[in-house]
Amino acid sequence: KNEVEQSPQNLTAQEGEFITINCSYSVGISALHWLQQHPGGGIVSLFMLSSGKKKHGRLIATINIQEKHSSLHITASHPRDSAVYICAVVGGNQFYFGTGTSLTVIP
Amino acid sequence: DVKVTQSSRYLVKRTGEKVFLECVQDMDHENMFWYRQDPGLGLRLIYFSYDVKMKEKGDIPEGYSVSREKKERFSLILESASTNQTSMYLCASSLFNEQFFGPGTRLTVL
Repeated sequence: KNEVEQSPQNLTAQEGEFITINCSYSVGISALHWLQQHPGGGIVSLFMLSSGKKKHGRLIATINIQEKHSSLHITASHPRDSAVYICAVVGGNQFYFGTGTSLTVIP
Repeated sequence: DVKVTQSSRYLVKRTGEKVFLECVQDMDHENMFWYRQDPGLGLRLIYFSYDVKMKEKGDIPEGYSVSREKKERFSLILESASTNQTSMYLCASSLFNEQFFGPGTRLTVL
């Protein structure tokens, strides 16, 4: 049973395209995170959300608590955005992780 | 800046060896975690600790043990390494709802 489901698993885009990655969860949460992992690299936090929307540069994250759904959008994608994006939720004292979306942006 | 460091980025060991992976955090966090990450499976929790000398099993503790003698240090031990323990190992510490990850150790067991 997966508490967090992400889609798509893999995504290839041309440079400049608008990208959306989706996350659905089945547990009650106090926070949702979007994480980024570059090949061979550690994991860094992009956003922590508990409601609404956050924007940082070309990245936008939204969450709909009633629908238990979040999206990560990347505008004007660039090859340096190529990475694995992981959705994680915090429910009670536990962290639950999606299996990640592998994004490749082609020049 | 929170810093979580891991003792090695890459490690190659032989089957049956005892393996120690160390994690140190510098922000006085009480909670620390060990995960393994495999393609298609995402992050899976091995063990976590909410305090010094305290440990709790995660989802996949078999074949692993941990040690937390000091607040800043959380060690993962593979008592007798096996080839199916070849993986990326990630340590994290947390404060409230946010986790901070180390750079990871890619372990290969031959």
